[in-house]
Amino acid sequence: AQRVTQPEKLLSVFKGAPVELKCNYSYSGSPELFWYVQYSRQRLQLLLRHISRESIKGFTADLNKGETSFHLKKPFAQEEDSAMYYCALLYGSSNTGKLIFGQGTTLQVKP
Amino acid sequence: GAVVSQHPSRVICKSGTSVKIECRSLDFQATTMFWYRQFPKQSLMLMATSNEGSKATYEQGVEKDKFLINHASLTLSTLTVTSAHPEDSSFYICSASELGRGKQETQYFGPGTRLLVL
Repeated sequence: AQRVTQPEKLLSVFKGAPVELKCNYSYSGSPELFWYVQYSRQRLQLLLRHISRESIKGFTADLNKGETSFHLKKPFAQEEDSAMYYCALLYGSSNTGKLIFGQGTTLQVKP
Repeated sequence: GAVVSQHPSRVICKSGTSVKIECRSLDFQATTMFWYRQFPKQSLMLMATSNEGSKATYEQGVEKDKFLINHASLTLSTLTVTSAHPEDSSFYICSASELGRGKQETQYFGPGTRLLVL
């Protein structure tokens, strides 16, 4: 069965420090992975997805099929990055694909 | 950008009553809408997938007679919690996938509806 695991509930770093939010997945098919972010009192929104290979707000994530990981990284954390981050895996067909979410990691960036 | 709204944002009801939650895609047509449930400090759990004009597909363990889903148009899906009980109290979130533009896999989320059953 498909599964997404985010081992850290809380990650606390100082401003300017590097950040790595871990995500591991289990899926028998070809994975499509996403990172979603939820800022305080706001709705969940897409941060980035692996097929785009883009950097959003300084964040990047590389799909490592060998390690079944999709860790989110940023070299220098900013206070405004403080939020809840969810890793998600798309499964099913592209037209009715479902998302399975990890448990989420709260990133706290201290001044 | 694609915007999804939900109404109401918060609802309190008595045990045994039914509650309807609306999910609308405001500026795009959604072939598929998804309903999630989120417990405090936990992740989103998919309840059901709703396709316009067809019956919803429920995830294992979700009672279809308890959570009625109707997807009447490409911009509106409703979730009705029937005969609500205190254990149904939760945060319900919908999302919508955009039709066309090769973006079916991108889901846009609503702000959520907080349901409290007394």
